[in-house]
Amino acid sequence: EIVLTQSPATLSLSPGERATLSCRASQSVTTQLAWFQQKPGQAPRLLIYLASYRATGIPARFSGSGSGTDFTLTISSLEPEDSAVYYCQQRINWPLTFGGGTKVEIK
Amino acid sequence: EVQLLESGGELAQPGGSLRLSCADSEFTFSSHAMSWVRQAQGKGLEWVSSITKGGDFIYYADSVKGRFTISRDNSKNTLYLQMNSLKVEDTAVYYCAKDLPDLDWFGFWGQGTLVTVSS
Repeated sequence: EIVLTQSPATLSLSPGERATLSCRASQSVTTQLAWFQQKPGQAPRLLIYLASYRATGIPARFSGSGSGTDFTLTISSLEPEDSAVYYCQQRINWPLTFGGGTKVEIK
Repeated sequence: EVQLLESGGELAQPGGSLRLSCADSEFTFSSHAMSWVRQAQGKGLEWVSSITKGGDFIYYADSVKGRFTISRDNSKNTLYLQMNSLKVEDTAVYYCAKDLPDLDWFGFWGQGTLVTVSS
């Protein structure tokens, strides 16, 4: 099973600041990685797939990068509505696995 | 707009059974792989099971293998999860997720249905 480790656990930033979230895989997933955003009481929403492709309707301030074992989700300029938990997920091997999540708090 | 509506979640006893359903509003249901993902209160996301668009390939997490069965009825645009031999640790919100068109990513999610396993 591929383990995904996300860091930091919590990120507290002000509006307009840049957020950098990390996801590290226990073995290579090439670019078979997605990022999801989940707000309290809501279902997850797909942000990024194939490591760097934005899903339909996702604002350009969200970007993904990386390949192999190290991946980054960047929010270039935080908006208040970006307060959420962000999860990475790999799709190269069964079982599919998610990271433990990074909580982004807006000051 | 894609709408996925889960139902069937309720209180069940350990050892009991439940059947979850996920109804898709779109007629393209049969063209997409589907999955179940669960989330215990205050915890992260856990993939449970997936089924290909024709139902010919099925995958399970080890934690549910032998107890849960995923299936689909493409004529009814509905996904199912039969849950047997329920355990307390199966308590969670269960989401159905639909892959993007021609891409194996969870592009669309339902709002979830709560399963509580307790005596």
